[in-house]
Amino acid sequence: AQSVTQLGSHVSVSEGALVLLRCNYSSSVPPYLFWYVQYPNQGLQLLLKYTSAATLVKGINGFEAEFKKSETSFHLTKPSAHMSDAAEYFCAVSKYNQGGKLIFGQGTELSVKP
Amino acid sequence: EAGVTQFPSHSVIEKGQTVTLRCDPISGHDNLYWYRRVMGKEIKFLLHFVKESKQDESGMPNNRFLAERTGGTYSTLKVQPAELEDSGVYFCASSQNTLANEQFFGPGTRLTVL
Repeated sequence: AQSVTQLGSHVSVSEGALVLLRCNYSSSVPPYLFWYVQYPNQGLQLLLKYTSAATLVKGINGFEAEFKKSETSFHLTKPSAHMSDAAEYFCAVSKYNQGGKLIFGQGTELSVKP
Repeated sequence: EAGVTQFPSHSVIEKGQTVTLRCDPISGHDNLYWYRRVMGKEIKFLLHFVKESKQDESGMPNNRFLAERTGGTYSTLKVQPAELEDSGVYFCASSQNTLANEQFFGPGTRLTVL
């Protein structure tokens, strides 16, 4: 069965610092990979997705993620954190033959300190 | 264009009562998904509709949960009778197609069973 692991339920960074949120997946076949963000009192919003094209994927709000098959990882990064990045981030996978259903990691709460 | 809407935003009921959650997907989206997040856990898939047909209901916890999508438009998720462990946030998402397509999420319904 597929699974997704996000290392660290809480990550705290200073404004302007690098953001690194880790995601590892277990799958015998490279899946489709997603990062979603949830701001308070809102639904999940897609940040970016990997669908077997370029391994470095750029998303909204300056975020990007790199698919590394050898490490089964899809870590999310942003060079410089902004206060508005404070939110919960979810890594998710889906497989082409499973109707698009998403399997999520546990979520990582990002705090940004001034 | 209106996004995915869910009603109610919050519901507090007593054990043994019935609750019905509603989801209105984005117009024209044939695919509708229900997910649930129990406190402290990951977001988990419940079921997937394609138009009015249940494509995959492998994530439904038990027969106390009944989902419908009449006419392939809005969907309801009924819990009857509710148990304490049903508490959590129920998310609805919709997409145009299933293959690596972005799912648009609603803000969720927070259900509390006392």
